Amino acid sequence: AQSVTQPDIHITVSEGASLELRCNYSYGATPYLFWYVQSPGQGLQLLLKYFSGDTLVQGIKGFEAEFKRSQSSFNLRKPSVHWSDAAEYFCVHGAGSYQLTFGKGTKLSVIP
Amino acid sequence: GAGVSQSPRYKVAKRGQDVALRCDPISGHVSLFWYQQALGQGPEFLTYFQNEAQLDKSGLPSDRFFAERPEGSVSTLKIQRTQQEDSAVYLCASSFFPPGTGKPYEQYFGPGTRLTVT
Repeated sequence: AQSVTQPDIHITVSEGASLELRCNYSYGATPYLFWYVQSPGQGLQLLLKYFSGDTLVQGIKGFEAEFKRSQSSFNLRKPSVHWSDAAEYFCVHGAGSYQLTFGKGTKLSVIP
Repeated sequence: GAGVSQSPRYKVAKRGQDVALRCDPISGHVSLFWYQQALGQGPEFLTYFQNEAQLDKSGLPSDRFFAERPEGSVSTLKIQRTQQEDSAVYLCASSFFPPGTGKPYEQYFGPGTRLTVT
């Protein structure tokens, strides 16, 4: 069975600092990978996705993620965090034809 | 355009009551999904519809959970005889694409219904 691991439950960064959220997946075939963000009271919003091709993918709001097959990782990065980025971030794995498997999430706090 | 909407946004039920949660997907979206998100956890898959057909209900935690989408648009998730462990946020998502295209993963989520069972 596929699984997604987000090792960091909570991360705090200063506004303007860089950010990296870690994600590891376990599945044999080429995975479909996503990052979603969930703000309080808001629905889940897709930040970016990886299906195939270029392993560095760009998303909305200045986020990017890099797929590394050798490390089974799909880490999310942003060079300069804004206070509005405070939210919960989910790494998600798609397998089969439609099922999404979510990690437990990483809560991001931003210090002004 | 309008996104996925869910109602009610908050529901408090006494243990043993039945509840019905509604999802209005994006117009024209073929696929509809329900997820359950417990406190501090990521969403977990409950069930999937393609148009009016429920193709997968493997994630429903018990036979007290029932979902329907009779006309292939609006969907209702019903929970009978609610228990405290049913307290969670119930998320609905829809996708324009059916299985086999690789793109049903591109799911658009509603804001969720927070169910609290007392």
